[in-house]
Amino acid sequence: DAGVIQSPRHEVTEMGQEVTLRCKPISGHDYLFWYRQTMMRGLELLIYFNNNVPIDDSGMPEDRFSAKMPNASFSTLKIQPSEPRDSAVYFCAVTKQGAYNEQFFGPGTRLTVL
Amino acid sequence: AQSVTQLDSQVPVFEEAPVELRCNYSSSVSVYLFWYVQYPNQGLQLLLKYLSGSTLVKGINGFEAEFNKSQTSFHLRKPSVHISDTAEYFCAVSDPVEYGNKLVFGAGTILRVKS
Repeated sequence: DAGVIQSPRHEVTEMGQEVTLRCKPISGHDYLFWYRQTMMRGLELLIYFNNNVPIDDSGMPEDRFSAKMPNASFSTLKIQPSEPRDSAVYFCAVTKQGAYNEQFFGPGTRLTVL
Repeated sequence: AQSVTQLDSQVPVFEEAPVELRCNYSSSVSVYLFWYVQYPNQGLQLLLKYLSGSTLVKGINGFEAEFNKSQTSFHLRKPSVHISDTAEYFCAVSDPVEYGNKLVFGAGTILRVKS
């Protein structure tokens, strides 16, 4: 298996534009997490899914952020409209039931909002 | 609430010297403990984990960690570091009773290995 795949790896956009980040999880891993990492705030959990259903979205900063998991092979994190303070590295991670919550991370998407 | 404290934000060390990165967590009945490493411009990669059994666990790249229940600590050690160990290291705790399937991460420790 190729591991967690994220795209794009880098995204530069202008304030006000819509941004969509994508994640392809490892097959058979039924929990998917979206994190944001910044120098100021460190690693923050935004939302996580179990079997494609959102379980906890308490970390989503505001209504401009939304996440979906239409099937077990794909998830998106959307920011609309984007703002400069959204600039960060966004990670997708997965785990599976019985794995003691050991998570496998993707390589991340570095987002820059100008 | 579960919390994870990494006592040092940065640790500078010379190549071939030993290093210890400290991690303390708030007490709970049953926790699982992890150390992750993040190299520049990469995702987090698992170094090692403690689930049960022997309190000394060995991981990749020559790292090891010791679970100390009475001290609620899980310090990471390496007897001789290399330049390539320069990275950020994160301690993480899984507390299924309190946090379900989430991991609680420490703030990270940047290890800088100097020649």
